[in-house]
Amino acid sequence: GAGVSQSPSNKVTEKGKDVELRCDPISGHTALYWYRQSLGQGLEFLIYFQGNSAPDKSGLPSDRFSAERTGGSVSTLTIQRTQQEDSAVYLCASSPTGTANTGELFFGEGSRLTVL
Amino acid sequence: KQEVTQIPAALSVPEGENLVLNCSFTDSAIYNLQWFRQDPGKGLTSLLLIQSSQREQTSGRLNASLDKSSGRSTLYIAASQPGDSATYLCAVKGGTSYGKLTFGQGTILTVHP
Repeated sequence: GAGVSQSPSNKVTEKGKDVELRCDPISGHTALYWYRQSLGQGLEFLIYFQGNSAPDKSGLPSDRFSAERTGGSVSTLTIQRTQQEDSAVYLCASSPTGTANTGELFFGEGSRLTVL
Repeated sequence: KQEVTQIPAALSVPEGENLVLNCSFTDSAIYNLQWFRQDPGKGLTSLLLIQSSQREQTSGRLNASLDKSSGRSTLYIAASQPGDSATYLCAVKGGTSYGKLTFGQGTILTVHP
């Protein structure tokens, strides 16, 4: 697609439920990043993928958070047993590779998660 | 650990003014620096990317400078317009081209007619 696509754009869930957030990066971008933006917390790095591997998952806040990427394309961020403090906007970004790799990140519109 | 600070936190100016947003970072070993714009309820739009070897980048009314040794960047907006109202975020990428971005808290800009 033309840009990074994320779904759902909005998700309201009850505490304790599991949620899945999807990111479809720009075609051909091998690097993919997940960030979280909470009120008053700024943008917080969660995990980085290079292809299907995650060389840096240092930002995942707990073992309730996991992410995978398949086919070097779509990524899914899963939050198990959601808590109210998980409420945030989850942003995905991708970056090109090869000679086009300037290290520039392109962000999607985000998935707003509200845990009641 | 890299820390990024943006000053001011908020800025309100009348239309037509030239303005400067400041960004500072603690670790000068960066790969690049990126300025973003975020409108309420939206994602991030990339404005300017400066590689560590560069001193400045320009796009239209926007000019961003980088002084890596002193850990500073500025975003200059000329002849501001109400449509420039948004949050402006500075982010630095450490180490490699695939390093993660560390963001500042942002500057909330309001340009009033």
